[in-house]
Amino acid sequence: GQQLNQSPQSMFIQEGEDVSMNCTSSSIFNTWLWYKQDPGEGPVLLIALYKAGELTSNGRLTAQFGITRKDSFLNISASIPSDVGIYFCAGRSSGGSNYKLTFGKGTLLTVNP
Amino acid sequence: GAGVSQSPSNKVTEKGKDVELRCDPISGHTALYWYRQSLGQGLEFLIYFQGNSAPDKSGLPSDRFSAERTGGSVSTLTIQRTQQEDSAVYLCASSFSSAGGTDTQYFGPGTRLTVL
Repeated sequence: GQQLNQSPQSMFIQEGEDVSMNCTSSSIFNTWLWYKQDPGEGPVLLIALYKAGELTSNGRLTAQFGITRKDSFLNISASIPSDVGIYFCAGRSSGGSNYKLTFGKGTLLTVNP
Repeated sequence: GAGVSQSPSNKVTEKGKDVELRCDPISGHTALYWYRQSLGQGLEFLIYFQGNSAPDKSGLPSDRFSAERTGGSVSTLTIQRTQQEDSAVYLCASSFSSAGGTDTQYFGPGTRLTVL
């Protein structure tokens, strides 16, 4: 089956620093998604990418859909304490199973004020 | 509220007992999904509903797991004869439809299941 490798597993940074995390896949995806999960909550969609090479921003967040369609990265600039949480990448294939999301294992982000 | 709701938020049960987990999707959403999140892991797809039908049950780990959806709305995930390895957070999501695969899936807060 499809596998997503997400790195790093965890990050400890100081407030104001920039953060970068990425995901690589063993197969091609048509859509890449980045979610954030706060403790006790479900994941919330941050950014959706639908085209290879696409670079999309949402405030201080920027994500890119890799040219090979097998990878994506998420950058957070000028981190703040409320950025703390678990960030997940997710991929979606084309075809009959395009409803199904495959998730990475997450990156736990801690921001020291 | 307007979001996906799940109940109970926490469930502690003894090994061998049956449990039922409930999901109320966003009103008007025809597609509903169940995922399992084990400690330190990403979300694992379990089952997908379009309306009341489940075209894809491929993620259900064993025949002890079943799910149904009635009235195109509420869904129940049932785990029979629970085992300790069933301990996880069970997340439900809904989307307006699954057509084209671009609809955003909105997640509920999850049910944390602990099997003693």
